[in-house]
Amino acid sequence: GDSVTQMEGPVTLSEEAFLTINCTYTATGYPSLFWYVQYPGEGLQLLLKATKADDKGSNKGFEATYRKETTSFHLEKGSVQVSDSAVYFCANAGGTSYGKLTFGQGTILTVHP
Amino acid sequence: NAGVMQNPRHLVRRRGQEARLRCSPMKGHSHVYWYRQLPEEGLKFMVYLQKENIIDESGMPKERFSAEFPKEGPSILRIQQVVRGDSAAYFCASSPDFNQPQHFGDGTRLSIL
Repeated sequence: GDSVTQMEGPVTLSEEAFLTINCTYTATGYPSLFWYVQYPGEGLQLLLKATKADDKGSNKGFEATYRKETTSFHLEKGSVQVSDSAVYFCANAGGTSYGKLTFGQGTILTVHP
Repeated sequence: NAGVMQNPRHLVRRRGQEARLRCSPMKGHSHVYWYRQLPEEGLKFMVYLQKENIIDESGMPKERFSAEFPKEGPSILRIQQVVRGDSAAYFCASSPDFNQPQHFGDGTRLSIL
């Protein structure tokens, strides 16, 4: 079946530091890949997506590249802000999943001033 | 354009009671998904519905849980005879088609006394 593995957290950074959150996946076929962000007490918001190999998704300074050869979709940001503190979820859809999302376990990011 | 609306935001039930969680998808979205988030875990897929049809219920517990998405009105996730282990955040998402990104509601946090 499909699965997603994220690097374990929590991750604590100082403002303006570089961020990487690793994500690898397994899937049958050609899944679409997503990063979602969850702020305290809220639902998930789509951060970025990529639908085929070598696509780069980007939004709000975050970016991730769909790497078919390494089955990875690592999230990066060059300079984090305190307001980026949240839980980040990597997910895939498609392949055998027929639309349903398979999520990683989530990575808690805390950014200090 | 209103987002995905879930209600109630918080629901408290005693063991053995029934819980009904409602989800109104975004306008124009006919695909609805339910996910459960247990404390300190990622989201797990439960069920995928289109109007009047259950497409995939592979993540639904076999007993006590049911879901519907009638022709008119919101989607309902129903949990009968709740137990302590049902305590979780339940999220609904919707999309215009199965291969389009899903938009999430803010969730219903169910607490069982």
